[in-house]
Amino acid sequence: AQSVTQPDIHITVSEGASLELRCNYSYGATPYLFWYVQSPGQGLQLLLKYFSGDTLVQGIKGFEAEFKRSQSSFNLRKPSVHWSDAAEYFCAVGLTFTGGGNKLTFGTGTQLKVEL
Amino acid sequence: DAGVTQSPTHLIKTRGQQVTLRCSPKSGHDTVSWYQQALGQGPQFIFQYYEEEERQRGNFPDRFSGHQFPNYSSELNVNALLLGDSALYLCASSLRTGYEQYFGPGTRLTVT
Repeated sequence: AQSVTQPDIHITVSEGASLELRCNYSYGATPYLFWYVQSPGQGLQLLLKYFSGDTLVQGIKGFEAEFKRSQSSFNLRKPSVHWSDAAEYFCAVGLTFTGGGNKLTFGTGTQLKVEL
Repeated sequence: DAGVTQSPTHLIKTRGQQVTLRCSPKSGHDTVSWYQQALGQGPQFIFQYYEEEERQRGNFPDRFSGHQFPNYSSELNVNALLLGDSALYLCASSLRTGYEQYFGPGTRLTVT
C-alpha cells in the first residue's frame, strides 16, 4: 500500500529565508505527487503536482518541488518565505483505479511558522 | 468559476445521531471524493462517487454512506455518530479521467 511520510511536524523560518519541506513516499509504480497547503480553518489548496517528465515542477505562490525517484522524495522548496506562507503543508500521493478514478494518500503534514 | 462548495460550515451533533453533509463540485467536474481529517492528521479517504455510484472506498465502516445526484453534487451520511467521528470533512472534486482533486472548505463536525 502506498504511504507518505513528512518527517518534520513543525518548522519555523524567518521571513525572507529559504524553505525546504521534506516528503518521502512509498509506492510501487510511478507516483502522481502533490503538495497542498491548508490555512487555519480552510480546505486544501493545490500548490503543485508531478505526473511525469521534468522532475523540477513549479507551482503557485513561488513554490517548487523536485521529484527524486532514487530517494523516493518530493521535497517542497521556496527561495524566500513570506509571512503569509505560514500554514500547514501536506504532501500526497495519488493512486489511480482501474476503470477510472483516483484517491489521494496524505502525509501527516508540516506546520510552518514564519518569524518576522 | 465556482469552486467546490460544502454545507454546512459547522455542525454539532450528539452521540448516536445521524448527520448529512453536502457538497457541490467544481464546474465541469463529474467525480466527488470525501475525506475525513481528524485534528492534527492528514485527510483520510472515505469514498469516491461518479456516475451516481460509489466506486472506491477507504477503510471506513458502513456507518459512512453517500450519494451522488445527477447534477454531480454529493452527500455524505454518517449514522450512529461516535465521539471519534469529530473531524473536518472535506469534499474534493475531479474529472474521472483526471488526477487533480480540488477541495472545498470543509464541514467541521463536532460530536458531543
